[in-house]
Amino acid sequence: EVQLVESGGGLVQPGGSLRLSCEASGFIFSDYYMDWVRQAPGKGLEWVGRIRNKANSDTTEYAASVKGRFTISRDDSKTSLYLQMNSLKTEDTAVYYCARAITATTRGIGYWGQGTLVTVSS
Amino acid sequence: QSVLTQPPSASGTPGQRVTISCSGGSSNIGRNSVYWYQQFPGTAPKLLIYGINQRPSGVPDRFSGSKSGTSASLAISGLRSEDEADYYCATWDDSLSGRAFGGGTKLTVL
Repeated sequence: EVQLVESGGGLVQPGGSLRLSCEASGFIFSDYYMDWVRQAPGKGLEWVGRIRNKANSDTTEYAASVKGRFTISRDDSKTSLYLQMNSLKTEDTAVYYCARAITATTRGIGYWGQGTLVTVSS
Repeated sequence: QSVLTQPPSASGTPGQRVTISCSGGSSNIGRNSVYWYQQFPGTAPKLLIYGINQRPSGVPDRFSGSKSGTSASLAISGLRSEDEADYYCATWDDSLSGRAFGGGTKLTVL
């Protein structure tokens, strides 16, 4: 069974930093592209970024709203995905979901974690 | 402003057939597969439809998807009260080099 468990959310002041983690299990983590998606309170889904698999050099892509501030990384040995968030703004307040592609070759999002809440406020 | 446009709300009565539209452009829906997700309040989204009208295991065949040009639709037949949820379309956008989501449609079962 695919399991994705996020952690690391919490309250942070504007301008601060936070690192989210996502521990994966139930599949061969290194084979899959992984995404981060967020959802502000009462709003829709917003893609944050994704990291490809090792076969594709772990390359990353980001939404314009977070590019240059957020960094996605992975540690295949720990089957874990990370989101380093710097220079946080109040508009970054959201539930952050870790997500896995449907299959190793079908790259749409197929599985979601339960989410972790990040609140940016003074 | 979402790259993909969905109606903010839709409604139907039990047993009815409801469709939710998702309008995009040549750089997204026009070139790439469309995915549909269902989300209940306080929970993570769940994949409903992917590829050419494919459903993950466990998704009832009451749910179906279609695509024509730069638009896509989700159809729910035999509407049930438990279908009341938010529905999102998504695809890859080649111009943005990123994933695009629709703004979401809140489905109410009357």
